[in-house]
Order: sequence, then C-alpha cells, then structure tokens
Amino acid sequence: SQKIEQNSEALNIQEGKTATLTCNYTNYSPAYLQWYRQDPGRGPVFLLLIRENEKEKRKERLKVTFDTTLKQSLFHITASQPADSATYLCAPTGGGNKLTFGTGTQLKVEL
Amino acid sequence: EPEVTQTPSHQVTQMGQEVILRCVPISNHLYFYWYRQILGQKVEFLVSFYNNEISEKSEIFDDQFSVERPDGSNFTLKIRSTKLEDSAMYFCASRWENTEAFFGQGTRLTVV
Repeated sequence: SQKIEQNSEALNIQEGKTATLTCNYTNYSPAYLQWYRQDPGRGPVFLLLIRENEKEKRKERLKVTFDTTLKQSLFHITASQPADSATYLCAPTGGGNKLTFGTGTQLKVEL
Repeated sequence: EPEVTQTPSHQVTQMGQEVILRCVPISNHLYFYWYRQILGQKVEFLVSFYNNEISEKSEIFDDQFSVERPDGSNFTLKIRSTKLEDSAMYFCASRWENTEAFFGQGTRLTVV
C-alpha cells in the first residue's frame, strides 16, 4: 500500500541554522510533490511544489529537492527563525486527484 | 485574495445527531476535498470530489459520511449519526488542475 514517511520526532534547531526535513514515499509514482506548513489549530498552507522532472526548487529561504529514484524529497529552511516553528507536511501527488499527506514533522526553532 | 471559507468554526453536537459542515471553495477550482485531523494526529484524507461526484474516498469515509455540492458554490460534509470518535478538526480544501490546494480554517467538531 502507499506510504508517506516523515520523521515523526520533532526537530529542534537553533535560530540561524538550516533545518532539513525528509519525506520518503513508497508505492507512489508522483508527478509532483508538495510541501505545506501547518500551525496549531489552522489549516495547512501551501509552500512549494516540485515536479518529477525538477531536481530542486527554491523560494526565498526555502529549498526542496526531489529524487524519484530514492523516492525522497528534502525540504530545507535556511537561516531559520522562531517564526518558522510549525509542522511541515509533504504530499506526493499524481495519478488521480487524491491528495494525501505524510504525518508531518514538527520543527521548533529556538533562540 | 480568494480563500476557502468554512462554517461554523466550532460545532458541538450530541452523539447520534446529524451534523452538516459547510465550505465555500474558491470559485473557479475543480477539485474539492474534506480532511479530518484528530487532536495531535495527522491530517487524514476523507474524500475528493470532482465533476459533481466523489472521485476518491478513504476507508474512514464510510456510510455515515456524505458530501454534496448542492448549488455550485457550497460544498458540504454530512455526518449522519455522530460518534464520540468523530470529534476532530475538519478541513475543506479546493484546487485547480495539478496545482496546490487551498485550505479553509477548519471546523472543530465536538461530539458529547
């Protein structure tokens, strides 16, 4: 069955460092992969989308890589700030319109 | 900026009662979704809706759930006979073709 794995343990990093979050998937052949941010009690908010023919995508301090051979995406936040503290969700997408999220990784950026 | 709106923000209902959660998706979007998030747990897919019919549903979406798009703007989730374990945040989302999804702020459903 299809499975999306994100590190369920919270990631604590110091302000200014780069946070790297991992998303691994099995039994998917996604045409693209999305990353979302979720704050407590709020709906997910879209951050970045990377297509299968793209290796890397950047937006301001965010960078996403997509390795379809490894079936993995990495999500980086450079120069992290306390305001980046949230849960980050990945969603490999394609082959229909079902949009399923991983369990999410909680990021905490400390001063 | 267009947004997905959900009402009510919080609904308290007695076990066994029917509830209808309402959503107004973004007007030109094609795909509509409902998700559930039990407190402290992951965002779980319930159902997707396209071209006026259910296109995919999860095993959670059993016979007690139904969805409707009655008038071309609203998108509703009905739970026929609520159980305590239905207590959760319910999120509606919509999107265009092969693009990102936009989520509403959610309805917190409490079944007592």
